[in-house]
Amino acid sequence: AQSVAQPEDQVNVAEGNPLTVKCTYSVSGNPYLFWYVQYPNRGLQFLLKYITGDNLVKGSYGFEAEFNKSQTSFHLKKPSALVSDSALYFCAVPSGAGSYQLTFGKGTKLSVIP
Amino acid sequence: GAVVSQHPSWVICKSGTSVKIECRSLDFQATTMFWYRQFPKQSLMLMATSNEGSKATYEQGVEKDKFLINHASLTLSTLTVTSAHPEDSSFYICSVWGSLAGGEVTDTQYFGPGTRLTVL
Repeated sequence: AQSVAQPEDQVNVAEGNPLTVKCTYSVSGNPYLFWYVQYPNRGLQFLLKYITGDNLVKGSYGFEAEFNKSQTSFHLKKPSALVSDSALYFCAVPSGAGSYQLTFGKGTKLSVIP
Repeated sequence: GAVVSQHPSWVICKSGTSVKIECRSLDFQATTMFWYRQFPKQSLMLMATSNEGSKATYEQGVEKDKFLINHASLTLSTLTVTSAHPEDSSFYICSVWGSLAGGEVTDTQYFGPGTRLTVL
């Protein structure tokens, strides 16, 4: 079964500092990987995805993610955190090869401290 | 990307009543719609998958007679919580998958803003 793991329930970072939200994956075949963000009482917003190609994927709101095959990781990063980045972040992977259903990680709450 | 709306954004109802939640996609042919529920500080739990014109496929443990899903068109799906009880209180989110206005098939799910259901 395809799965992702987010090892941190919460990440705290000072405004202006770089941030990293971790995600590791377990898939068969070539991985498709996604990051979504959820603001309070809102649905999920798509941030970025890795399908193939460059290991560094750039997404919305200045976020990027680095695909690392040897470490089976797809960490979300941003060079300089904003208070407005405080939200819940989900890593996701298709539930099966060729599936359009998604399996989500448990989520990581990011708090950016002014 | 697709724009997805949900109505209502929040609803409070008495125990035993039924509540209908609408999910609409704008400028998007939603071949498939997904319904999730999310409890506080938890991840999304997939409830069911519906394809336009077909019966929904429910995940294990989800009562199909309690959570009625209708996907009658490529732009509208409804979730009806029948005889709602306080334990049904949750945040319900829909998402869509399909093709954009130009015919390009998306490989990404697009989510609605969610509906907060509180059953008293």
